[in-house]
Amino acid sequence: QQQVKQSPQSLIVQKGGISIINCAYENTAFDYFPWYQQFPGKGPALLIAIRPDVSEKKEGRFTISFNKSAKQFSLHIMDSQPGDSATYFCAASLTGFQKLVFGTGTRLLVSP
Amino acid sequence: DSGVTQTPKHLITATGQRVTLRCSPRSGDLSVYWYQQSLDQGLQFLIQYYNGEERAKGNILERFSAQQFPDLHSELNLSSLELGDSALYFCASSARRGGGTGELFFGEGSRLTVL
Repeated sequence: QQQVKQSPQSLIVQKGGISIINCAYENTAFDYFPWYQQFPGKGPALLIAIRPDVSEKKEGRFTISFNKSAKQFSLHIMDSQPGDSATYFCAASLTGFQKLVFGTGTRLLVSP
Repeated sequence: DSGVTQTPKHLITATGQRVTLRCSPRSGDLSVYWYQQSLDQGLQFLIQYYNGEERAKGNILERFSAQQFPDLHSELNLSSLELGDSALYFCASSARRGGGTGELFFGEGSRLTVL
């Protein structure tokens, strides 16, 4: 019940296209869903996060869509750029317990 | 730059040996977390400390131990090393004990290679 399943494992998108990464969780008590971005040789860094009281959150070209009934959430990157090429991790946690459970990651390559 | 410092960046050692990884959290952060990143398993939570006390434990092997010192830096000790312990070990810090935004600030990791 502590797992977060992430897909696809890797993704190639053309510059200007839309990148979509999906995650599913089992524990309905999770109430915080962040996405982290990791560049080679660096640690993960928080990109955007959502709580289950909203169905969508947008920050610039990055949007999280959240479907509470399906226990799924996804990251959309609009107008994808080569600089977005990185590994993306979804995660989930419980309020009061700051242990983040991470998905297995998606390696995104945006071709020029 | 996240403000979290990890040393060493790279470490090569042999099976059966013991190593210590060090982490200095962001200034003022009281919580320190250790994660293990391997190619096939993503980021696995190992252990969390808050202001010197263990707060949460994840999939940490008995051969591994950690502590947080009064100056808030933390060390992860890995002993009786096996080939499968080869991985990237990340330290992260946050200001909060629990709840809140959940934002963790990660260091750049320590890459451990066991030969």
